[in-house]
Amino acid sequence: AQSVAQPEDQVNVAEGNPLTVKCTYSVSGNPYLFWYVQYPNRGLQFLLKYITGDNLVKGSYGFEAEFNKSQTSFHLKKPSALVSDSALYFCAVRGYGSSNTGKLIFGQGTTLQVKP
Amino acid sequence: GAVVSQHPSRVICKSGTSVKIECRSLDFQATTMFWYRQFPKQSLMLMATSNEGSKATYEQGVEKDKFLINHASLTLSTLTVTSAHPEDSSFYICSAREGTGGPQPQHFGDGTRLSIL
Repeated sequence: AQSVAQPEDQVNVAEGNPLTVKCTYSVSGNPYLFWYVQYPNRGLQFLLKYITGDNLVKGSYGFEAEFNKSQTSFHLKKPSALVSDSALYFCAVRGYGSSNTGKLIFGQGTTLQVKP
Repeated sequence: GAVVSQHPSRVICKSGTSVKIECRSLDFQATTMFWYRQFPKQSLMLMATSNEGSKATYEQGVEKDKFLINHASLTLSTLTVTSAHPEDSSFYICSAREGTGGPQPQHFGDGTRLSIL
């Protein structure tokens, strides 16, 4: 079965410091991995995706994520956090291949709080 | 690019009313659309998946007669909450994706806050 785990309910970081939001996944076969951000009372905004190729993926608003196959992780990172980055972040996985449903499976979300 | 428009953004209505929510892909053809429900401070719960021109596939525990989904064109899907009751109050979010598989990301609407009095 496919699953995604975001072990931290909340991450607190000071503005200007680097941030990491953790994500691990479980999927049979190869994964497509995604990060989304949600601001209050809004839908989800796509940040970045990993399909294949380079393990370091760059996305919107200066975010990047590193795919680690051996650790089945896809942590979201940013070198210098902004107060405006404060939001709810979701990691998601979609397996591909005959054993997968094609559905997007979400983690439980991590609230990022960036303090000035 | 890849904009999904969801309307209305907020609905407040009396118990027993049916409510229709529209989801449109503005600049791409959405072969597949998804409807989610989100409770406060929780993740998204997939309700159903719809492919253009065919019946929606509902997740276990979701009443198909309660939540009617229509995906009549490649740019429009609608969710109708029939005879809504207070327990149906929630944040409903649609998303759309080009194609039925592959690496394309899903793009999300801004959600509809449904409040049933």
